Amino acid sequence: AQRVTQPEKLLSVFKGAPVELKCNYSYSGSPELFWYVQYSRQRLQLLLRHISRESIKGFTADLNKGETSFHLKKPFAQEEDSAMYYCALSDNAGNMLTFGGGTRLMVKP
Amino acid sequence: DSGVTQTPKHLITATGQRVTLRCSPRSGDLSVYWYQQSLDQGLQFLIQYYNGEERAKGNILERFSAQQFPDLHSELNLSSLELGDSALYFCASSAEGPISYNEQFFGPGTRLTVL
Repeated sequence: AQRVTQPEKLLSVFKGAPVELKCNYSYSGSPELFWYVQYSRQRLQLLLRHISRESIKGFTADLNKGETSFHLKKPFAQEEDSAMYYCALSDNAGNMLTFGGGTRLMVKP
Repeated sequence: DSGVTQTPKHLITATGQRVTLRCSPRSGDLSVYWYQQSLDQGLQFLIQYYNGEERAKGNILERFSAQQFPDLHSELNLSSLELGDSALYFCASSAEGPISYNEQFFGPGTRLTVL
């Protein structure tokens, strides 16, 4: 069975500080991993996916198969980054998304 | 709005009742997914339809059922409602499937409260 774990429910940092939102997964095949973000009063939206290897809004995430992790990082947090972040994994068939429990990021001024 | 739409936004009902949640996918998207978000279970995949056919099933209760119509909109039917069914129900759609992953675009959700 596939599982995604986000150990921190809440992460609070000051503006300009580095941010790392942790995500660990359990999956027997070759995973496709994603980060979704939900800003206040907005719908869930895709932030980035590991296969594209791009940086979105200054965020990056590297898939570490050895540690089965896909941590989300940003060197300098901004107040507008405050949101709920969900790590998700897709099965080989490309059907369902398995989500982690989410981490609420609060960036203080 | 050409994105995923869901109706109603809020629904309050009593235990034992039956409700229907509706989802309209983005124009051209063939796949529709339903997710349940509750405080204790988080975001959980319920079911996927692709071009009118059921493609994948997750943790969906037998009291729940879904379908996708020829115009590609989908409905999630919840019956014999229990207090624990209170949750936010999201619909998502994607352009292609079911072979390879395509970005899922989410609707705003329907908040169901069972009293």
